[in-house]
Amino acid sequence: SQTIHQWPATLVQPVGSPLSLECTVEGTSNPNLYWYRQAAGRGLQLLFYSVGIGQISSEVPQNLSASRPQDRQFILSSKKLLLSDSGFYLCAWRGVGTSGYEQYFGPGTRLTVT
Amino acid sequence: KQEVTQIPAALSVPEGENLVLNCSFTDSAIYNLQWFRQDPGKGLTSLLLIQSSQREQTSGRLNASLDKSSGRSTLYIAASQPGDSATYLCAVRRAGGTSYGKLTFGQGTILTVHP
Repeated sequence: SQTIHQWPATLVQPVGSPLSLECTVEGTSNPNLYWYRQAAGRGLQLLFYSVGIGQISSEVPQNLSASRPQDRQFILSSKKLLLSDSGFYLCAWRGVGTSGYEQYFGPGTRLTVT
Repeated sequence: KQEVTQIPAALSVPEGENLVLNCSFTDSAIYNLQWFRQDPGKGLTSLLLIQSSQREQTSGRLNASLDKSSGRSTLYIAASQPGDSATYLCAVRRAGGTSYGKLTFGQGTILTVHP
């Protein structure tokens, strides 16, 4: 069966520090991968998606970047964090469920920028 | 640009009640609609997926309907239990080969079922 991992689970970082969040998927190959952010009172916002190694598309201009160095690894990064980067970051992959293609989400990373 | 709205924003009901959560979307050109559940501090769990050609999907006490032409979906929960307490999110996937499975989410409905 497929599993999606994210780490760290929680992170507290000062403004201006770098960031690296990692997401890995097991049990599938060449999945579409997605990074979302859930900020308080704003719902889920798609940040990046990837359809293959080295292929990254950005949905919104921001202080963040993403990379996909391996087929089942998706990394979210920042060189200098802003207070507004605080939020709950969720990684997802697209797979086939009982009714068709569905998105499956990881456990998330809670980022607090101080 | 697709916009997804969920009503109500919050709902508190006694255990055993049947309830309906609403989701509306502005662009009817969707490929499918997915309902999720999110417990506090956790990731999202997929509940039901409805393809654009379908009218409804059922899983246990959950039933989701879709009226694509009017841009609406409802999630019906029968005989609610305290364990159903969570935030419920709906999301739509745009039709077309360039959507790459991207989802647009509503803000969610926070459901509390009290004993």
